[in-house]
Amino acid sequence: GAGVSQTPSNKVTEKGKYVELRCDPISGHTALYWYRQSLGQGPEFLIYFQGTGAADDSGLPNDRFFAVRPEGSVSTLKIQRTERGDSAVYLCASSLTPSGSQGPRNEQFFGPGTRLTVL
Amino acid sequence: GQQVMQIPQYQHVQEGEDFTTYCNSSTTLSNIQWYKQRPGGHPVFLIQLVKSGEVKKQKRLTFQFGEAKKNSSLHITATQTTDVGTYFCAAHISSGSARQLTFGSGTQLTVLP
Repeated sequence: GAGVSQTPSNKVTEKGKYVELRCDPISGHTALYWYRQSLGQGPEFLIYFQGTGAADDSGLPNDRFFAVRPEGSVSTLKIQRTERGDSAVYLCASSLTPSGSQGPRNEQFFGPGTRLTVL
Repeated sequence: GQQVMQIPQYQHVQEGEDFTTYCNSSTTLSNIQWYKQRPGGHPVFLIQLVKSGEVKKQKRLTFQFGEAKKNSSLHITATQTTDVGTYFCAAHISSGSARQLTFGSGTQLTVLP
């Protein structure tokens, strides 16, 4: 199991419901990122973890969005009171070195994503 | 607002033709990365450029970073059907959070056999 895994692959929910999306990064990668990608757009940054702490959460659109990484490995993105505009593919990525570092190991490895549909 | 602009949005080429996508920013970029996303897939890292004026090659792909570190390009020579996908540039913008990677909107490449 060498890659980043995400569950579920698809999630359909109703407006107003609560959802949790899970990301399991590559073993040994201390940096973990969440992105949101809408059709025809590039990934949009949401939050970055270095270890257990959120080093940059400036991309979270509002307080309905929250993410945790309690043990520095698996992360969960939580969305409260979902809205139709939250529908998108939620991508998780991990990297060996912190985001923004100049070394050769700065590449981000993406998971397959969770497609969230809010009806 | 979007700080990394990418053009063109779409490109259709005949197999064997060349292809280029351009990435521009109004601010200085710490580095730039390029990713490829196949239809239905997830972004896959291609390369990172760090130095002003840097040029790197991967087989038929040539990546350039501008002298002012505000623009970059990806050129594919003699496209093949396996090149189909969306190509994204992504950058850590010097004036912003060093931890945040900002993606361009991508160039969707279609290669006609």
